[in-house]
Amino acid sequence: DAGVIQSPRHEVTEMGQEVTLRCKPISGHNSLFWYRQTMMRGLELLIYFNNNVPIDDSGMPEDRFSAKMPNASFSTLKIQPSEPRDSAVYFCASSLQGHEQFFGPGTRLTVL
Amino acid sequence: QKEVEQNSGPLSVPEGAIASLNCTYSDRGSQSFFWYRQYSGKSPELIMFIYSNGDKEDGRFTAQLNKASQYVSLLIRDSQPSDSATYLCAVIFGGATNKLIFGTGTLLAVQP
Repeated sequence: DAGVIQSPRHEVTEMGQEVTLRCKPISGHNSLFWYRQTMMRGLELLIYFNNNVPIDDSGMPEDRFSAKMPNASFSTLKIQPSEPRDSAVYFCASSLQGHEQFFGPGTRLTVL
Repeated sequence: QKEVEQNSGPLSVPEGAIASLNCTYSDRGSQSFFWYRQYSGKSPELIMFIYSNGDKEDGRFTAQLNKASQYVSLLIRDSQPSDSATYLCAVIFGGATNKLIFGTGTLLAVQP
């Protein structure tokens, strides 16, 4: 059974450009989470969805960040415009009934 | 501010020894506790979860929970060089349904 799928695996972009990260959760899971990981701040929850509905977006750093989940099998995290301080590894995770979360391989974002 | 605290390490142990990783959390109402392992450049991987006071064993791993002291630990018996990784403690705080709060992780180095 496939795990959480994320794309792209690596993204290098220039400051000011729009970046879109994609996630496909494990089939049947009803909760989806977006995290950001940096050396300085560790693993931070940005937003999570239950049954495609955003429940808690308190971790979203600012209005430049937005996330959507149009259906149970797909979610996007968008940064517009991107800034160098957004450089990090972004993880998507999914779970069933919100407990044991399974992480995708992550997207390493570099903003120049 | 709800927090999960871990010693960042590195914790260095010889091969075959017991590694003891510790974690404290701030919310007395917390109900669910998780240990994730993260190899360098990889995504977090769930290795143990515990919900009740006491010990829970799975192979070489034992999770210990003491809610009165707000303390959770992970013991790794017969440590192997392949156990060298960062271990992340995560807690679902009381009142929240799905939101995991992660500690900053402890780097474990098992010396051959």
